[in-house]
Amino acid sequence: GAVVSQHPSRVICKSGTSVKIECRSLDFQATTMFWYRQFPKQSLMLMATSNEGSKATYEQGVEKDKFLINHASLTLSTLTVTSAHPEDSSFYICSARDEKGETQYFGPGTRLLVL
Amino acid sequence: DAKTTQPPSMDCAEGRAANLPCNHSTISGNEYVYWYRQIHSQGPQYIIHGLKNNETNEMASLIITEDRKSSTLILPHATLRDTAVYYCIVRTKGHTPLVFGKGTRLSVIA
Repeated sequence: GAVVSQHPSRVICKSGTSVKIECRSLDFQATTMFWYRQFPKQSLMLMATSNEGSKATYEQGVEKDKFLINHASLTLSTLTVTSAHPEDSSFYICSARDEKGETQYFGPGTRLLVL
Repeated sequence: DAKTTQPPSMDCAEGRAANLPCNHSTISGNEYVYWYRQIHSQGPQYIIHGLKNNETNEMASLIITEDRKSSTLILPHATLRDTAVYYCIVRTKGHTPLVFGKGTRLSVIA
């Protein structure tokens, strides 16, 4: 299957700082990428859909000014959590749709802890 | 996309077949059935998908009933490493992103 990578895998930051998470599709081009968030003992929640070269589409309740998404190339999307607070601590997972539009492949996730 | 219903948890003995059911009674004609699993603290892993025919790959088999209102994911010889949450998702190919329900927590027991 296709490979999606994320970096970093784990990050600890102070409250008020910003954190950038990178998502790359390693062996395919992804015009569409997705960002999910998962709190402990819960399922994945879709945050936003990111299309290469255009603005991201955010799900209801997700603040677009707080979670900045950039999808500047067909293999890279970034999520920046701005002015992070402890309640933003979560497991962030990116996903990329393959070129045929059939299947979404997921990255390994980034665990964010805001102190 | 149609909603799915899965049992919250299941146990399976190591080496036996694990049969995970999924109900999707409101599925429409152009919606596919996808299965993913999530091992603890990892991103979801794609397993298999199908439209109406049964499908098999190196990981699992997908059996879809003739009326397409339910399906079963079969792991033929479960191992301890198959312990995970398994998600059955129905979606139109190429359109909407995957929306995850609560899935089935499969515990493979030695």
